[in-house]
Amino acid sequence: ELKVEQNPLFLSMQEGKNYTIYCNYSTTSDRLYWYRQDPGKSLESLFVLLSNGAVKQEGRLMASLDTKARLSTLHITAAVHDLSATYFCAVDKAIGDNDMRFGAGTRLTVKP
Amino acid sequence: DAGITQSPRHKVTETGTPVTLRCHQTENHRYMYWYRQDPGHGLRLIHYSYGVKDTDKGEVSDGYSVSRSKTEDFLLTLESATSSQTSVYFCAILIRGTATDTQYFGPGTRLTVL
Repeated sequence: ELKVEQNPLFLSMQEGKNYTIYCNYSTTSDRLYWYRQDPGKSLESLFVLLSNGAVKQEGRLMASLDTKARLSTLHITAAVHDLSATYFCAVDKAIGDNDMRFGAGTRLTVKP
Repeated sequence: DAGITQSPRHKVTETGTPVTLRCHQTENHRYMYWYRQDPGHGLRLIHYSYGVKDTDKGEVSDGYSVSRSKTEDFLLTLESATSSQTSVYFCAILIRGTATDTQYFGPGTRLTVL
């Protein structure tokens, strides 16, 4: 059974600090996705990582993928309050399969 | 918002009643999906469609049926709603890019089954 595990599930951090969210998965999927969800809102696509060693950055967020370790990280640099949200990672169930499986999500709160 | 709308946006119903949720897209994308979101579970796939009248089951399909008679509409039906189906339901479409495919989500429908 495919498992997608995120940790931590809850993260409270101060503005200006750095932190990393981890996503472990058990499939041999070739794609990993990161989404953001604000309270009461829909999901917003952040990154799609396609290959081993892929790194993508947008503002204070940087995502990377290690397919050998089946691990993706979402690194937050110098956090600001606007980054407060829930972050989900997701993987395709199988290579070439558009059937995604999601992690449980990491609820990030950035405090002043 | 990738041209996705969901209706209704909120619904309260009673156990045992049938419920149909609608997902509408304006851009003729082939793949459409229904997910449910519950605390601690992330999103879980209920059913998906890869074309008109072509559908398949997802991870949590029991108690749900779907239909797709037109490209733009994907309907999710709870034949006899139960309290365990209280959830937020998201529809998604798959948009194919030059490098990869990405799912984009609708605004969601909050369903409460009393």
